[in-house]
Amino acid sequence: SQELEQSPQSLIVQEGKNLTINCTSSKTLYGLYWYKQKYGEGLIFLMMLQKGGEEKSHEKITAKLDEKKQQSSLHITASQPSHAGIYLCGADLEYGNKLVFGAGTILRVKS
Amino acid sequence: DTGVSQNPRHKITKRGQNVTFRCDPISEHNRLYWYRQTLGQGPEFLTYFQNEAQLEKSRLLSDRFSAERPKGSFSTLEIQRTEQGDSAMYLCASSLEEADNEQFFGPGTRLTVL
Repeated sequence: SQELEQSPQSLIVQEGKNLTINCTSSKTLYGLYWYKQKYGEGLIFLMMLQKGGEEKSHEKITAKLDEKKQQSSLHITASQPSHAGIYLCGADLEYGNKLVFGAGTILRVKS
Repeated sequence: DTGVSQNPRHKITKRGQNVTFRCDPISEHNRLYWYRQTLGQGPEFLTYFQNEAQLEKSRLLSDRFSAERPKGSFSTLEIQRTEQGDSAMYLCASSLEEADNEQFFGPGTRLTVL
C-alpha cells in the first residue's frame, strides 16, 4: 500500500546483531499492528500500538509508535535464526475498520 | 477453538473454472475479513462482515468475486471464471467488534490459476 511505507525492503543480519524496521504512514494511525509471516503461511500477530509515544516489548522485540502517530519502528535485539521471516506493519486508518498493510520487510538471520 | 481456519490450504485450477474458499473464524468474533496477498506485497483488503452483514467491499473485488457469511459464523469466498491474475494467497481474519480491532489471521488459501 502506498499509504504505508516499510523500510528496508529486506535485511540480512548476523545472528546476535540488533536491527530496526520502520513503518511510515502519510495519515494519522488509529492503530498500528506488527505481524510476522513465514513464506506461504498466515500472519502471526506480534503487537498493537494505539497511543502516541507508546512502546511495547515481547521477548526480544520492541515496537514504538511516535508521538504524532505516523511512524512506528520494530526493534529486535540479539537476533536469532527464529526471527527470520517477513515483518508486516498494518494500520487502521479509518478507526475500527479494515487494515492497510505495508509491503513487508524480509529478514534473514545468518548463523 | 484454536484460531482461524481456512480450507482448502491450496487450490490449483484451470482458467475459467469457479473456486470457493471457506473461512471459519474464532468463535464469538463477529467481524470477519478477507484479504488477498500477492508475492512480495502485503495483504490487500477485499471485504469484511459484521455478523452476517457485508459492510464494505474493496474496488479490488470485481463482479466475479462474491463473499457470504450466511449465519454470521463461517464465510465463503467464491471466484467465478478464474483468471491467471487471481493467483494469490487469500487470507481470512476475524476480530471482535471493539475499538482495538485486533485481527487474527488464518493460514490462508493459496490459489494457482493455470
